[in-house]
Amino acid sequence: DGGITQSPKYLFRKEGQNVTLSCEQNLNHDAMYWYRQDPGQGLRLIYYSQIVNDFQKGDIAEGYSVSREKKESFPLTVTSAQKNPTAFYLCASTDGGDYNEQFFGPGTRLTVL
Amino acid sequence: RKEVEQDPGPFNVPEGATVAFNCTYSNSASQSFFWYRQDCRKEPKLLMSVYSSGNEDGRFTAQLNRASQYISLLIRDSKLSDSATYLCVVNAGTNAGKSTFGDGTTLTVKP
Repeated sequence: DGGITQSPKYLFRKEGQNVTLSCEQNLNHDAMYWYRQDPGQGLRLIYYSQIVNDFQKGDIAEGYSVSREKKESFPLTVTSAQKNPTAFYLCASTDGGDYNEQFFGPGTRLTVL
Repeated sequence: RKEVEQDPGPFNVPEGATVAFNCTYSNSASQSFFWYRQDCRKEPKLLMSVYSSGNEDGRFTAQLNRASQYISLLIRDSKLSDSATYLCVVNAGTNAGKSTFGDGTTLTVKP
């Protein structure tokens, strides 16, 4: 079955630690996205990538980093510079352009202890 | 002002009721519009795209008013399973597939 996988489902981090969230898709989609969702709020774009080896900052990129070395993979690192990292992180992919549905992974819940 | 604004609700309705959600957007250059459904602690899933001519999918009807820059979603004959948060999504037309999400409207359908 085609889809997007994210791991881990739950992640606990101590303050000052960097953590990397995994996102893999086998939909052969060119574009991939990372969003953050806080309780009672919509999704906010962290980073996106339209093609391998290229990515752009979204609206809230500070304290995060990404890489896109393979078409199917778009890992997100939450660095210690992110002041309030506790949130629900969602990865998505699409065939590209503005008219196509975004497919989401099941998300990772990150909690900073 | 947020780029995409929704009435957060919550909307609490009995089974069988008709309920309507509205969403306004600020970027007049926006090109494409969607409604997504998000269940509690789950990922969003596409409910329907919204076309200028309006579109219907079973009990769900979506409308777009470009002049007034708003989108609506009408749910008829509400079911218990319709209980969820409904997210309004707008793409700016940059061809980057960049979507702006509203904060969502929460619907609870009660027996």
